[in-house]
Amino acid sequence: QVQLQESGPGLVKPSETLSLTCTVSGGSITSYYCNWIRQPAGKGLEWIGRIYSSGSTNYNPSLKSRVTMSVDTSKNQFSLNLSSVTAADTAIYYCARNSGYYGHFDPWGQGTLVSVSS
Amino acid sequence: QSVLTQPPSASGTPGQRVTISCSGSSSNIGSNTVNWYQQLPGTAPKVLIYSNNQRPSGVPDRFSGSKSGTSASLAISGLQSEDEADYYCTAWDDSLNGWVFGGGTKLTVL
Repeated sequence: QVQLQESGPGLVKPSETLSLTCTVSGGSITSYYCNWIRQPAGKGLEWIGRIYSSGSTNYNPSLKSRVTMSVDTSKNQFSLNLSSVTAADTAIYYCARNSGYYGHFDPWGQGTLVSVSS
Repeated sequence: QSVLTQPPSASGTPGQRVTISCSGSSSNIGSNTVNWYQQLPGTAPKVLIYSNNQRPSGVPDRFSGSKSGTSASLAISGLQSEDEADYYCTAWDDSLNGWVFGGGTKLTVL
């Protein structure tokens, strides 16, 4: 079955850029959206944004100025860059796939913890 | 402050029926379908209900969803100890042009 796996540094310094990759296995990313969702410890889920396999994006307005997403269909990978990070960006970051513009998130990656600290 | 409003907690005893509400507005729940996710402790969320009331294969029929106007509900009947988890509602918001989540509801099985 389709599986998603997040990867990237677990520690990022304040003011630097957080970079994560989501690798999709067991299926193609063509014609799907990849969403990035984060969850600070003990708190709820926050949608960061999504990218379609063609490269079109939608971002959370509250993060839009700092977010860039990209896609590499040859590697079946999606990427997230979040710039100028602060301690408030410390969270578990998940990628999740959805089909169709309004489709639900399924499956999800297991998540990766990113801490922002000097 | 989440765009969708859920009660922070809910509880019930084994065998009981519990409901979790999710309140939104005309730009999200009022215009689009609602999905529900279950997050067991220490794990990634998984879809429980999609398109207001559809269950993915493998989800017990004890779980059901409904929507009316700008609100939605998740009902769990025959409550079991393994249902103890956090539950989140979500919907697409046409004004924000993105997905919005509820703040989550922590369900405790007494």
